[in-house]
Amino acid sequence: LAKTTQPISMDSYEGQEVNITCSHNNIATNDYITWYQQFPSQGPRFIIQGYKTKVTNEVASLFIPADRKSSTLSLPRVSLSDTAVYYCLVGDDDSSASKIIFGSGTRLSIRP
Amino acid sequence: EAGVAQSPRYKIIEKRQSVAFWCNPISGHATLYWYQQILGQGPKLLIQFQNNGVVDDSQLPKDRFSAERLKGVDSTLKIQPAKLEDSAVYLCASSTGTGKGYGYTFGSGTRLTVV
Repeated sequence: LAKTTQPISMDSYEGQEVNITCSHNNIATNDYITWYQQFPSQGPRFIIQGYKTKVTNEVASLFIPADRKSSTLSLPRVSLSDTAVYYCLVGDDDSSASKIIFGSGTRLSIRP
Repeated sequence: EAGVAQSPRYKIIEKRQSVAFWCNPISGHATLYWYQQILGQGPKLLIQFQNNGVVDDSQLPKDRFSAERLKGVDSTLKIQPAKLEDSAVYLCASSTGTGKGYGYTFGSGTRLTVV
């Protein structure tokens, strides 16, 4: 399973765009890149998943370069409610034997 | 769609006592996971079920932890006897097993405090 590296913490202000980069140098051909968000006293929540190039949904965008050795989660115009821990994971999500391994995540703090 | 249900929400026990956690996954989800999350850390996988069979329990401390998934639906995680270092949030997650694009759905967890 590919290991990921992401910043321990980040700070930003309301209304700003926040980009969290994750490094996954050993990503395998079948691996997808998935981001989760976790608030205190809650389980992680799926945000977005991608394989290559760019993926966008109503919550975030995910940018993946051609070599797939890194990815960037982009949160547009953050608000206080985006304060949470964000986890980057890689794995073969399309397999009944797949499992997700969490790192320590990035603790994002949004200030007024 | 109903989410992953877990109970109890909180539990406080003394060391050496036993405790059990219950999880009801999303209907139709074949794969079920139990994670342990210690304060300030990412969740750590304990065990993975595919229907009612164990796929991976390599991280489960089998001398004190046990888990089962009855009829491939609900699951129970037990600790006996508990140690102080077992204090953590125990998260249950489920997926279809072919969850491309949708990830995994987690419950809110059970917060265990061992005193």
